[in-house]
Amino acid sequence: GQSLEQPSEVTAVEGAIVQINCTYQTSGFYGLSWYQQHDGGAPTFLSYNALDGLEETGRFSSFLSRSDSYGYLLLQELQMKDSASYFCAVKNFNKFYFGSGTKLNVKP
Amino acid sequence: NAGVTQTPKFQVLKTGQSMTLQCAQDMNHEYMSWYRQDPGMGLRLIHYSVGAGITDQGEVPNGYNVSRSTTEDFPLRLLSAAPSQTSVYFCASSSTGNGNQPQHFGDGTRLSIL
Repeated sequence: GQSLEQPSEVTAVEGAIVQINCTYQTSGFYGLSWYQQHDGGAPTFLSYNALDGLEETGRFSSFLSRSDSYGYLLLQELQMKDSASYFCAVKNFNKFYFGSGTKLNVKP
Repeated sequence: NAGVTQTPKFQVLKTGQSMTLQCAQDMNHEYMSWYRQDPGMGLRLIHYSVGAGITDQGEVPNGYNVSRSTTEDFPLRLLSAAPSQTSVYFCASSSTGNGNQPQHFGDGTRLSIL
């Protein structure tokens, strides 16, 4: 089976840096994705890591270590609009399995 | 630029009723999928399709059917609604099933079963 673990909630101050961790157990692994979801909205794609290392996209970066079954999403220069839930998702062949999400609260 | 369109946005059903949630995309994407999201939880895959005429089960397929007769449309059918199926349903599409291709989500259907 598949299982993913993320912290349920994180709070940070505007302008700061925050890291959201994701550990996973899966019978097959193709890659790790990250999605953002604002309250009442649809998830939107942030990043995907298939290989070990860091991927950077603007203020967001995502890291993967396949040997540790671990990844994280790094958000820099936090803005109020970054307040949302963040989900990691494991890709196993053609299926995606999502974690329960981390609610990020950004405070002024 | 419509993207992924889901209808209806809201629906209330009685236990035992059947209905179809519609999903259409105009991006010529091969991969389409249905998820349900319960309060405070992540998305769980119900069914997916890698192309017209091809469907497969996801993590929680029981009580749901799908078909993919065209590239554009991927309807989800609830056969006999149960209160446990009260949830928000999201349809998504991507150009392929590769994870590096972003999944584009519709706005969701909020379904309540009484």
